[in-house]
Amino acid sequence: DAGVIQSPRHEVTEMGQEVTLRCKPISGHDYLFWYRQTMMRGLELLIYFNNNVPIDDSGMPEDRFSAKMPNASFSTLKIQPSEPRDSAVYFCASTPTGPPEAFFGQGTRLTVV
Amino acid sequence: AQKVTQAQTEISVVEKEDVTLDCVYETRDTTYYLFWYKQPPSGELVFLIRRNSFDEQNEISGRYSWNFQKSTSSFNFTITASQVVDSAVYFCALSGLDDKIIFGKGTRLHILP
Repeated sequence: DAGVIQSPRHEVTEMGQEVTLRCKPISGHDYLFWYRQTMMRGLELLIYFNNNVPIDDSGMPEDRFSAKMPNASFSTLKIQPSEPRDSAVYFCASTPTGPPEAFFGQGTRLTVV
Repeated sequence: AQKVTQAQTEISVVEKEDVTLDCVYETRDTTYYLFWYKQPPSGELVFLIRRNSFDEQNEISGRYSWNFQKSTSSFNFTITASQVVDSAVYFCALSGLDDKIIFGKGTRLHILP
């Protein structure tokens, strides 16, 4: 398996634009997590899914953030409209049911100017 | 609520010294898992170890060792005879009955040649 795949790896956008980050989890993994990493706040859990269903989105910072998982092999994290303070590295991770072990994608470095 | 605290923000040691990274956790769950991840300068998150709450045996893997003590809610990580390649950010994480995986803020380790 190729591991968790995130795209794009880097994104630079202007304030106010819509940004969509994409994630393909490892096949057979039932859980998918979205994290945001910043120097100040470390690795924050934004939302996680189990079998494509959002379980806890309490970490989503504002209504500008939304996430979907339309099927077991694809998830998106959307920011609309984007703001400079959204600049961060966004990681997606997946884990199978049972003893958890989160496998992370390479991350998307988002810069909002 | 679950919480992971890594009180050491940044540590610097000279190569070949031993170094211990501290991790203290909080949870009301009786069944939970603890993890350590490494984030080298390249940015990816690398899984190092998982322990479940029923297994307090210490573990050694080469120069790495982990000390899990439920009595003090700690899961510390020691690197023996450190090497420059050990320079990275190290994260401790916790997963409880809700399957959420939350991370501490990380400890940035510098190994000086």
